[in-house]
Amino acid sequence: DQQVKQNSPSLSVQEGRISILNCDYTNSMFDYFLWYKKYPAEGPTFLISISSIKDKNEDGRFTVFLNKSAKHLSLHIVPSQPGDSAVYFCAARALTGTASKLTFGTGTRLQVTL
Amino acid sequence: DSGVTQTPKHLITATGQRVTLRCSPRSGDLSVYWYQQSLDQGLQFLIQYYNGEERAKGNILERFSAQQFPDLHSELNLSSLELGDSALYFCASSVVSGSGIGANVLTFGAGSRLTVL
Repeated sequence: DQQVKQNSPSLSVQEGRISILNCDYTNSMFDYFLWYKKYPAEGPTFLISISSIKDKNEDGRFTVFLNKSAKHLSLHIVPSQPGDSAVYFCAARALTGTASKLTFGTGTRLQVTL
Repeated sequence: DSGVTQTPKHLITATGQRVTLRCSPRSGDLSVYWYQQSLDQGLQFLIQYYNGEERAKGNILERFSAQQFPDLHSELNLSSLELGDSALYFCASSVVSGSGIGANVLTFGAGSRLTVL
């Protein structure tokens, strides 16, 4: 049961343009959403997060939008740079008692071309 | 360098064998998480420890076990290995556990790639 889905395995965008990475979820108990970025031979690194009570969070070139009614979130990167080429994982958090659990999507590989 | 150290980086072994993966969390982090990434799969949560105690359990097989030691390093033991256990195993750490979002801003190691032949 894939509770967090990233339906696009890959995305190619020209340098300077906008990259939009999408993520859908099914569990209405998720209360926080996070994006992680992963370069080859490295572990994922935290990028940006958003609370379920907000619909937008911005950090420099990165903006995450949340549409709770559609159970959909997206990560916008503007402008895209070659160094943004990586795999991006969407993750959603659910509280379980005193602990919290992250559920990750399968990732979208972004390639920013010159 | 994220500050989370995982060893070994690569491991090749045979079916039926047992291996131990080791993780040293970032300095000051009390919480350790283990994740498995199989081919074309997302990161599957296995288990979390906080300051030596098991805090949460995910889809961890009975053949797998883990522990966190007093010095906060953690080990993931995989036994009776099967071909399907071939995967990247990530360790991550965070300062805290619980409901604060800081508990989910994880710092990941570079992973241990396990190949079972």
